[in-house]
Amino acid sequence: AQKITQTQPGMFVQEKEAVTLDCTYDTSDQSYGLFWYKQPSSGEMIFLIYQGSYDEQNATEGRYSLNFQKARKSANLVISASQLGDSAMYFCAMRESFGNEKLTFGTGTRLTIIP
Amino acid sequence: DTEVTQTPKHLVMGMTNKKSLKCEQHMGHRAMYWYKQKAKKPPELMFVYSYEKLSINESVPSRFSPECPNSSLLNLHLHALQPEDSALYLCASSQTVQTSYGYTFGSGTRLTVV
Repeated sequence: AQKITQTQPGMFVQEKEAVTLDCTYDTSDQSYGLFWYKQPSSGEMIFLIYQGSYDEQNATEGRYSLNFQKARKSANLVISASQLGDSAMYFCAMRESFGNEKLTFGTGTRLTIIP
Repeated sequence: DTEVTQTPKHLVMGMTNKKSLKCEQHMGHRAMYWYKQKAKKPPELMFVYSYEKLSINESVPSRFSPECPNSSLLNLHLHALQPEDSALYLCASSQTVQTSYGYTFGSGTRLTVV
């Protein structure tokens, strides 16, 4: 079974609008971390935001926020006031508990911002 | 210094060549990783080094040989590769392998095997 599921292969959003990128995950661990990365066409993976499984508040970093719904195993990324430079591939990823060093990625969502 | 530096950025090699990819970080991170990413796919883990010791090998073919000479440096030695090994190779590091630490990625080496 997929550990990380991103159901939106591609999204087109008007500039200045907010956008939500979906991510659901599957784990039996109590301790885990959820991450979002941005990958522009140049290839580098840029860290955006982190949410720990024990964090009670949703993470925020500037225009990025993570809508964490633990019971639903959902960790959606919200980008407010989208900009043309936000056009990129976005990956949701999970790191499970001690002894499992992998960062497992979802299949990604390609976001295109329309002027 | 908050970067992971990968060299070279692009590499074209023949199937009989031997080449190496280099990754360097000076953030004091003690875990380093190699990932392989094919076009339009997510990165896939190849190797994990923790405190300079290989801790995970994801059943990678022996034509890929990792090496961690010290805590700042990670190499990937390539020999007798196949065209299907053409991909973006990403190096990453994290403080340790604990859950809460995310990765810092390098910008990758785009490898083409001809």
